[in-house]
Amino acid sequence: GQQLNQSPQSMFIQEGEDVSMNCTSSSIFNTWLWYKQDPGEGPVLLIALYKAGELTSNGRLTAQFGITRKDSFLNISASIPSDVGIYFCAGPRGGYQKVTFGIGTKLQVIP
Amino acid sequence: EAQVTQNPRYLITVTGKKLTVTCSQNMNHEYMSWYRQDPGLGLRQIYYSMNVEVTDKGDVPEGYKVSRKEKRNFPLILESPSPNQTSLYFCASSMTGGPGSPLHFGNGTRLTVT
Repeated sequence: GQQLNQSPQSMFIQEGEDVSMNCTSSSIFNTWLWYKQDPGEGPVLLIALYKAGELTSNGRLTAQFGITRKDSFLNISASIPSDVGIYFCAGPRGGYQKVTFGIGTKLQVIP
Repeated sequence: EAQVTQNPRYLITVTGKKLTVTCSQNMNHEYMSWYRQDPGLGLRQIYYSMNVEVTDKGDVPEGYKVSRKEKRNFPLILESPSPNQTSLYFCASSMTGGPGSPLHFGNGTRLTVT
């Protein structure tokens, strides 16, 4: 099936630093979603992108829908300890009932 | 409180012993889905349901069954569990399953099959 490649797979950063992660696909997606999974919990939607080139912010988070529709980026500014978790990109496909998730980027923030 | 509830949170069983993981949502959502999460593989979709009595396979359906007899419930059934089904399982629901309808996830069920 379609695959989403996320990078980096893990990262350690110092509190206060900015973070960037990305997601690429060999196929076109019409919607890009970014989820965060806190330790011991299920993923929660952070940002949804619906149009190529779209740039959307949610507090300190900013995500972009790539122009080619084959990639997306998530940036976190001024990281804090509660940013720790796994960040997943996801793309619905077909009739949107099937959703492909990336393997995730595990973020650790050093206070 | 709007939520997706999975039970149990933790389950240890033996190969071949049938088990059911329950999932219930109180948001009147039409769409429900099951995922498994494995290290290095992310979340993979097992089955989904667009509405009562409407279910379909996801990417990794082998060894699993589901049913949707009521809108709020979507149990995952493992008729004969095997060790390769040891994983973290998540149930999710959304209003319609459409692009503007975000998934709400439960807190997961960690299954170990020995």
